[in-house]
Parts: sequence; structure tokens; C-alpha cells
Amino acid sequence: EPEVTQTPSHQVTQMGQEVILRCVPISNHLYFYWYRQILGQKVEFLVSFYNNEISEKSEIFDDQFSVERPDGSNFTLKIRSTKLEDSAMYFCASSGKGDGGTEAFFGQGTRLTVV
Amino acid sequence: GQNIDQPTEMTATEGAIVQINCTYQTSGFNGLFWYQQHAGEAPTFLSYNVLDGLEEKGRFSSFLSRSKGYSYLLLKELQMKDSASYLCAPSSNDYKLSFGAGTTVTVRA
Repeated sequence: EPEVTQTPSHQVTQMGQEVILRCVPISNHLYFYWYRQILGQKVEFLVSFYNNEISEKSEIFDDQFSVERPDGSNFTLKIRSTKLEDSAMYFCASSGKGDGGTEAFFGQGTRLTVV
Repeated sequence: GQNIDQPTEMTATEGAIVQINCTYQTSGFNGLFWYQQHAGEAPTFLSYNVLDGLEEKGRFSSFLSRSKGYSYLLLKELQMKDSASYLCAPSSNDYKLSFGAGTTVTVRA
């Protein structure tokens, strides 16, 4: 069964460093998303991406964050100058359509710990 | 904007039925998803409602009233493995799926 894969599963980084979280969406999907979940809190939308550009982003997704689809399979989230409060689980998701009518499939997440 | 309200916690015994209510205020509303999330894992899709009414899928059913901004997820014949967080997630036409804080369901023997 096709699945969304994320690497690494765990990432520990020092405050101020840059991290890149990687995702391989399901191959025939066109819409890609990043979410984050701080421990014990709800899943929060960060950004959606379609046709090589950002479709929608939340207020969390400020200049510290960027996304890229560097090739036909990978979808990355870059976090610059990491802060302690960036520690969270980051989920990538993809869906076949972006009309809000197709379920998003989630990867298993990358647990980011900023120390 | 989004405003999603669901209970924080519910407890029930094995074999029982539990109903998780969700109210939402979503601009550009398209439909409503329910996801299940076990601790430390990714959310997994349970159901999707776009029209008013009840959608049944095995032990799980979901209901939607668009005019009332209301949905519920019904879990029947509860099993221990159903202990998880259940996320109400209205979708909108701007390619965004927003999640409620989730309802933690604890199933006791």
C-alpha cells in the first residue's frame, strides 16, 4: 500500500542551527502539507503546496520556515535558526486532490528536539 | 478562520458505544474529516462527510449537519485498541485541513 515516508524519524539539533526535514509523498498525489504537533497539543497546520508553490500557510509559517520540492519525489521543510519552541513532531501529508474532498495521508512524522 | 470544539476526554467500557461531538465554524467549508491518532503516531483517516446525514463504516459512523456546523463520530462495540485521540477536522477550499484539539477516548475492560 502506498505511504508517505519521512526522514529522519528523530532529529536533535542545537538552538540556532538549521534543519531540513524530508518527505516522500505518495507518488501520484499532487497536494502536499506540513503539520506540526507540540507534545500534548493539537495537530497544527503549517503549509500546503501545489504545483510548485505554496497554496496556503498559517501564521506559524513565518520567514523561519520554507518548503521546497527539489525533485519529482521529495518535499522538504527547512527550519532556520531553530528555537527551543520548535521542538515538536512534524508530519508531512499528501492528498490526491486539493479540493478539500480527499483525505490526506500522513507520514509517521519526524520528532525534532532542539537543545 | 477556524473554530473547532470537541470534548477533551471520554471514557467508556469495552463493548459500549461512545459519541464524540464536534462543532465548527469554518470559512469556505467543504467537508468534515475524522481522524484517529494513537499516542506517538500519525493521524489516520477514519471518515469523511460532505453531505448532511450519517455515513456508516463498520463499527464507526459519522454524522454531519452543515447548517448547524455540527458533526459526531459514533464508535460502537468498543475495543481496547480504540483507545486513542479522535480528531475532528473540517476542510476548506483553500487546500487546508484544520484539526480540533482532539478527544481522548479511554476504553476500560
